[in-house]
Amino acid sequence: QKEVEQNSGPLSVPEGAIASLNCTYSDRGSQSFFWYRQYSGKSPELIMSIYSNGDKEDGRFTAQLNKASQYVSLLIRDSQPSDSATYLCAVNIGGNNRLAFGKGNQVVVIP
Amino acid sequence: EAGVTQSPTHLIKTRGQQATLRCSPISGHTSVYWYQQALGLGLQFLLWYDEGEERNRGNFPPRFSGRQFPNYSSELNVNALELEDSALYLCASSPVRGSDSPLHFGNGTRLTVT
Repeated sequence: QKEVEQNSGPLSVPEGAIASLNCTYSDRGSQSFFWYRQYSGKSPELIMSIYSNGDKEDGRFTAQLNKASQYVSLLIRDSQPSDSATYLCAVNIGGNNRLAFGKGNQVVVIP
Repeated sequence: EAGVTQSPTHLIKTRGQQATLRCSPISGHTSVYWYQQALGLGLQFLLWYDEGEERNRGNFPPRFSGRQFPNYSSELNVNALELEDSALYLCASSPVRGSDSPLHFGNGTRLTVT
C-alpha cells in the first residue's frame, strides 16, 4: 500500500464550479497534512495545512480531514483558470517531518 | 524574507559523471530536505539533514549523498550518473526538527543525464 494515494485522473471543471480532490494515507499515526499546488515546470507551493479532524477554510480553499478513515480532501470553490495546476497531497510520516507525497491530481479550469 | 535558493537551475551531465547540486534554506531554518521529482513518479524523498547530520534517507542507492554545512546550506551529490537520474531535484527547508511545520520548496535544479 502506498503511503499517500491520489487516485483520480485529470479533473476538468468549468470556471466558477467546485473542484474536489481526495487523498488517502496509510500511516495511522500521521498528524500533519498538507496540500501543495504545482504549476507546470515550477516548484510546489503550500496552499493548505490541516492537523485536526474537520474542515479548515482559507479563502476559496477548504481542507477536510478524517483521521479515522485516513483521508484528506481539498475543495476549491469558485474555480478560476489560475487554479489550473497539479495539486499534491502530502502527509507527515512517522512524526519526523518526512513528508510523503501523492502523485498529484491535475486540475484544468475551463473558462 | 528570501526563500529557499537552489543552484544551478539546469545541469546537463553525461552518464557516469558526477553532479553537485546546492541549496540554501530560508534564514533561520535548520532542516534541509531533498526530493527527486522524475516524470510520472511524483516527489520521492531523498535525504533529510538537520544541524549538520543526516537524519533520514529515502530508498535511493548510496551514490546519492549529501551534506549540510554549518550555515545550514546543503549539497546533494549524485555519483556515477545514470539516465534515469534525469529529474527535477527539489530542496526544501523547515524551521525546527521534528516539528509539524510544512516544507518550503526552492525552485529546483533540473538535471538532465545524456
